Amino acid sequence: DSGVTQTPKHLITATGQRVTLRCSPRSGDLSVYWYQQSLDQGLQFLIQYYNGEERAKGNILERFSAQQFPDLHSELNLSSLELGDSALYFCASSVRGERGETQYFGPGTRLLVL
Amino acid sequence: AQSVTQPDIHITVSEGASLELRCNYSYGATPYLFWYVQSPGQGLQLLLKYFSGDTLVQGIKGFEAEFKRSQSSFNLRKPSVHWSDAAEYFCAVVPYNTDKLIFGTGTRLQVFP
Repeated sequence: DSGVTQTPKHLITATGQRVTLRCSPRSGDLSVYWYQQSLDQGLQFLIQYYNGEERAKGNILERFSAQQFPDLHSELNLSSLELGDSALYFCASSVRGERGETQYFGPGTRLLVL
Repeated sequence: AQSVTQPDIHITVSEGASLELRCNYSYGATPYLFWYVQSPGQGLQLLLKYFSGDTLVQGIKGFEAEFKRSQSSFNLRKPSVHWSDAAEYFCAVVPYNTDKLIFGTGTRLQVFP
């Protein structure tokens, strides 16, 4: 158990819908990362937050957005969902979000878009 | 182009045999290097990492990795594989000019009794 929690574990929805994935980082970690794991793209970094502020952006679609709240939990919002958005979405956390810090991964949310 | 390559998609070994998983990177400056393991239904767990110094790095679960600058490689090894090591293994880098992890495509390890 990494100490990072993600809800829900599974999500099934339809094309065009919007969903919210939630992540609670390890106690004391200020930085949260979101990753997408899909069969065709592999594991890709989406976005990073540090203490409520966006720090880095990766291959995140405009239909996707995220935020980190004052209590440091984070949400990833996916809208206008397409079949290709079906994937495993991971959240990770680290203490300061600095280069080389160990990132601790949650168990992921498996999203299926029908 | 900058990339992380894991040339072996799938490897099968017998329990007790030795293991080597290959990883090559293509970056101008040596990045930070990592190996993660993903068991079915689980998140990723860090096995070991290399920043600088001794090129042979010890990790958890009996794994080690060796950094070879001349070959731009960071191969993961284990002298004797256990059935519980069956999982997917990812090599990852943090390039010098960023703090985000870039993952390879992964190697799925199957262990036969």
